[in-house]
Amino acid sequence: GAVVSQHPSWVICKSGTSVKIECRSLDFQATTMFWYRQFPKQSLMLMATSNEGSKATYEQGVEKDKFLINHASLTLSTLTVTSAHPEDSSFYICSATGLTGTHEQYFGPGTRLTVT
Amino acid sequence: AQSVTQLGSHVSVSEGALVLLRCNYSSSVPPYLFWYVQYPNQGLQLLLKYTSAATLVKGINGFEAEFKKSETSFHLTKPSAHMSDAAEYFCAVSAAGNTPLVFGKGTRLSVIA
Repeated sequence: GAVVSQHPSWVICKSGTSVKIECRSLDFQATTMFWYRQFPKQSLMLMATSNEGSKATYEQGVEKDKFLINHASLTLSTLTVTSAHPEDSSFYICSATGLTGTHEQYFGPGTRLTVT
Repeated sequence: AQSVTQLGSHVSVSEGALVLLRCNYSSSVPPYLFWYVQYPNQGLQLLLKYTSAATLVKGINGFEAEFKKSETSFHLTKPSAHMSDAAEYFCAVSAAGNTPLVFGKGTRLSVIA
């Protein structure tokens, strides 16, 4: 089946610094990738949708200047949390969909971000 | 617009008992429906999906769900619970394969020995 990886799986950073999270589709071309955020014991909330070669579409309330999303190739999308603050601490999950013919999104394993 | 309502934030069953997790959806277009399972500090694993084919969908680990358009429901069942089934379960809906998923709030399943 289609595999999506995320790196890193866990990161701790200091307040005010930036951190980049990578999402890769390992065995298929991901025309669309989605970034979700999950707070402890809560559901997943869509942050943005990115299509390869296009600017990401952000959901209402998500700061596009804070959460920079780049989808430069059909196998890689990155989420950069700029000037991180403790309230940005969360579990970030990406998913990818493409020409797999399965009407399915394939999820990465998630990245746990802790901002101190 | 689409939405999902999962009835019951926490369900507790005895080992060997029937598992029933409820999901109702709202969609202005024919929906694609999914059930995912999440173990602590892990990503999502797809249990099963409905994409307008058979209304009774069988998934992994003995789970199945039935799409009932008249009731706008997609409840998840398993005849006999195992301890390893204890996890968080999410129902989700989308309009198509390349559109974002809208998730329910999740149901935490506990299995009692």
